[in-house]
Amino acid sequence: SYVLTQPPSVSVAPGQTATITCGGNNIGGKSVHWYQQKPGQAPVLVVYDDSDRPSGIPARFSGSNSGDTATLTISRVEAGDEADFYCQVWDSNSDHHVIFGGGTKLTVL
Amino acid sequence: QLQLQESGPGLVKPSETLSLTCSVSGGSISGTRYYWGWIRQPPGKGLEWIGSIHYSGSTYQNPSLKSRVTMSVDPSRNQFSLTVKSVTASDTAIYYCLTGYNWFDPWGRGTLVTVSS
Repeated sequence: SYVLTQPPSVSVAPGQTATITCGGNNIGGKSVHWYQQKPGQAPVLVVYDDSDRPSGIPARFSGSNSGDTATLTISRVEAGDEADFYCQVWDSNSDHHVIFGGGTKLTVL
Repeated sequence: QLQLQESGPGLVKPSETLSLTCSVSGGSISGTRYYWGWIRQPPGKGLEWIGSIHYSGSTYQNPSLKSRVTMSVDPSRNQFSLTVKSVTASDTAIYYCLTGYNWFDPWGRGTLVTVSS
């Protein structure tokens, strides 16, 4: 089945820009969605369809997708952004349909 | 605003059946645009999709779990349910109910189910 690969961890200083990648074979041909999960909480959708934001999600969160890599970018990182982030796709070519990446722990230094 | 809340036993014995219900408020479970689903997360690990169901009964499921999983919708109670039979310790996880088709939003707060004798 289709595999999504994320780095286990990313660290960034407050006020800087965090970049979290999600790799997959020709992922640019799929729609990628991103979730933020803070400790002890349920995941929250922060980006859908590669680059759209649900209402209430700050514009500091943005996404892009091309080739074999999708990217979630968090600008002007705040301490409150520290969380696990998961990418997800719908794979119409697989019986598994819904595929998640392994998750990336964002640490704000 | 749509809200979801899981309920069910927090402890299930090995080989028995896990049963959870998700109560939906702020919207009708019979809305045609809605699929209702389940995702689980073993403690300290990542997310695993279990499956989704439309109120019409149409389902799509993770083939790895399909033989043990049943999902249903109860429009009269605005609820949907999940059962997993023949559970083992590897079914220990936080179980989330949610809505969506290609992406999922919103999610319930989750409920921890432990499989242990």
